[in-house]
Amino acid sequence: QVQLQESGPGLVKPSETLSLICTVSGYSISSGFYWGWIRQPPGKGLEWIGSIYHSGTTYYNPSLKGRVTISVDTSKNQFSLKLTSVTAADTAVYYCARETRGSGRVMFDPWGQGTLVTVSS
Amino acid sequence: QSVLTQPPSVSGAPGQRVTISCTGSSSNIGAGYDVHWYQQLPGTVPKLLIYANSNGPSGVPDRFSGSRSGTSASLAITGLQAEDEADYYCQSYDSSLSVVVFGGGTKLTVL
Repeated sequence: QVQLQESGPGLVKPSETLSLICTVSGYSISSGFYWGWIRQPPGKGLEWIGSIYHSGTTYYNPSLKGRVTISVDTSKNQFSLKLTSVTAADTAVYYCARETRGSGRVMFDPWGQGTLVTVSS
Repeated sequence: QSVLTQPPSVSGAPGQRVTISCTGSSSNIGAGYDVHWYQQLPGTVPKLLIYANSNGPSGVPDRFSGSRSGTSASLAITGLQAEDEADYYCQSYDSSLSVVVFGGGTKLTVL
């Protein structure tokens, strides 16, 4: 059974870089699928951040204006998220998820438990 | 404003049938991109409820069903139960924006 777990600091200062890692168990990232990040501000809806394939191919949400970098470490079966120049608007629960992409379809299943990241000084 | 539009809230009595709409455009649902639905119970992680417009993953009760027509999609829940009270999100892909898009979410209240 595939499981994902996010880890990283729960508090980041404004203008600094948010860094999170998603550790995958029960499935090898190198075997296929894309791997994505989604966030949810408190009390609000879901926003796709970006995705990566084990080869390193990435897709990002243009609304994040080049602040996002997603990378993969197949040796550790992990992928990571870096979001630079954070503001209070980046405060959210950050989820990682396995992404199925192709043939007119992009969907997320399963999801990690999520981790709350607060941007505050 | 979300690219996919959902009603903010719907409600129904136990046993009733409710539907949640998801309205898109010619660059997402209307372009043939699949619609998926997620259920987020209070304080929990979103869970895939319906994939590829009308397919239920293993373990999802058949009380939940989905459909897609034109530039819209719908989630129907029959035999409403108290444990169905949750937020529901539709999701697709938009080719003009090159982005995965979610609806704003619909809060289902079981009266």
